[in-house]
Amino acid sequence: NAGVTQTPKFQVLKTGQSMTLQCAQDMNHNSMYWYRQDPGMGLRLIYYSASEGTTDKGEVPNGYNVSRLNKREFSLRLESAAPSQTSVYFCASRKTDVNTEAFFGQGTRLTVV
Amino acid sequence: EDKVVQSPLSLVVHEGDTVTLNCSYEVTNFRSLLWYKQEKKAPTFLFMLTSSGIEKKSGRLSSILDKKELSSILNITATQTGDSAIYLCAVPGGSNYKLTFGKGTLLTVNP
Repeated sequence: NAGVTQTPKFQVLKTGQSMTLQCAQDMNHNSMYWYRQDPGMGLRLIYYSASEGTTDKGEVPNGYNVSRLNKREFSLRLESAAPSQTSVYFCASRKTDVNTEAFFGQGTRLTVV
Repeated sequence: EDKVVQSPLSLVVHEGDTVTLNCSYEVTNFRSLLWYKQEKKAPTFLFMLTSSGIEKKSGRLSSILDKKELSSILNITATQTGDSAIYLCAVPGGSNYKLTFGKGTLLTVNP
């Protein structure tokens, strides 16, 4: 049972490069999330997707785009990376028709130089 | 806008101490409050509190929800060095889709 799988685990980018972080869940959850975590800042919501075909902005969406490709997959794209996007990124998923917890991927440590 | 505020932001204690971590929230149509523990990697789920389940306990950890005060506490008794972690609180927004986290409490337990 894989749960939530994120790739890659580590990435170094140069300023201005683009990349896509991939996330897939096999728990048939309807909602998926992308967070970033910086020291002392907890988890800040970038984007979320309530269900397949819908996406909404969170607290810190600037500089990011997302795609909910199907029910399983939710990707996060950085079109032109900036040093301020150096962070640890977590994908999560959750079943939201009942009260349940969110399940997290193992995280992607991204460094933009 | 949904808000989750945790306090203190950091705490240093000695092994054997008891600690109380706080989480206050502002959301429309409260449904649940979630507590997580985060060590080096991804957050791991501890408790979920709802209107019908306002107290949870597991070993030395316990949590209570106060719906009047719009807050929750997480208690850890007889702390151990393995309890050192960031403790995160999260609350789903009114639609139950958006999930907002607080900044977390960094707990350090010294031997």
